[in-house]
Amino acid sequence: ELKVEQNPLFLSMQEGKNYTIYCNYSTTSDRLYWYRQDPGKSLESLFVLLSNGAVKQEGRLMASLDTKARLSTLHITAAVHDLSATYFCAVDRQIQGAQKLVFGQGTRLTINP
Amino acid sequence: NAGVMQNPRHLVRRRGQEARLRCSPMKGHSHVYWYRQLPEEGLKFMVYLQKENIIDESGMPKERFSAEFPKEGPSILRIQQVVRGDSAAYFCASSPQREGGPLHFGNGTRLTVT
Repeated sequence: ELKVEQNPLFLSMQEGKNYTIYCNYSTTSDRLYWYRQDPGKSLESLFVLLSNGAVKQEGRLMASLDTKARLSTLHITAAVHDLSATYFCAVDRQIQGAQKLVFGQGTRLTINP
Repeated sequence: NAGVMQNPRHLVRRRGQEARLRCSPMKGHSHVYWYRQLPEEGLKFMVYLQKENIIDESGMPKERFSAEFPKEGPSILRIQQVVRGDSAAYFCASSPQREGGPLHFGNGTRLTVT
């Protein structure tokens, strides 16, 4: 059974600092997704990582994928308050053609001024 | 281009009543997924549908829950005889194809069972 684990689950940091969220998964998968969720809102797609060594950056967020280690990281550079949210990684599990995402527990990120 | 539309946004039901959650996928999307999110947890897959077909319902509880995606109209997630443990946020997502791209999520329906 595919398991996806994130750490840390809670992260409180100061504006301007850098930090990394880790996402480990248990079985081989070709695609990994990062989503952002604000309280009471839906999930917003941030990154889709398709292959080993993939790195994508958008603003202060950078995501990478190491399929051999079954690890993805989401790095936050010089955090700002607007980045406060819950971040989920999800791994694509293909079963009979169905794209079934298995989500991590989420990392609740709070950025303090 | 409207996104995935879910309604209602909030739904309150007493134990034993029925809950009906609706989802209209993005225009041009023919694949619909339902996920459930319990408080402080990630999303759990429930069911994957295409028009008039249930492709994978392995995440659906065996009793009281059903889903459909008719030829015309929205996808419906139906929960009969709701219990307190059904209280959760239910998200619908859609995609234009079987695989490869991110799913587009609706704003969710927050079900509260009293």
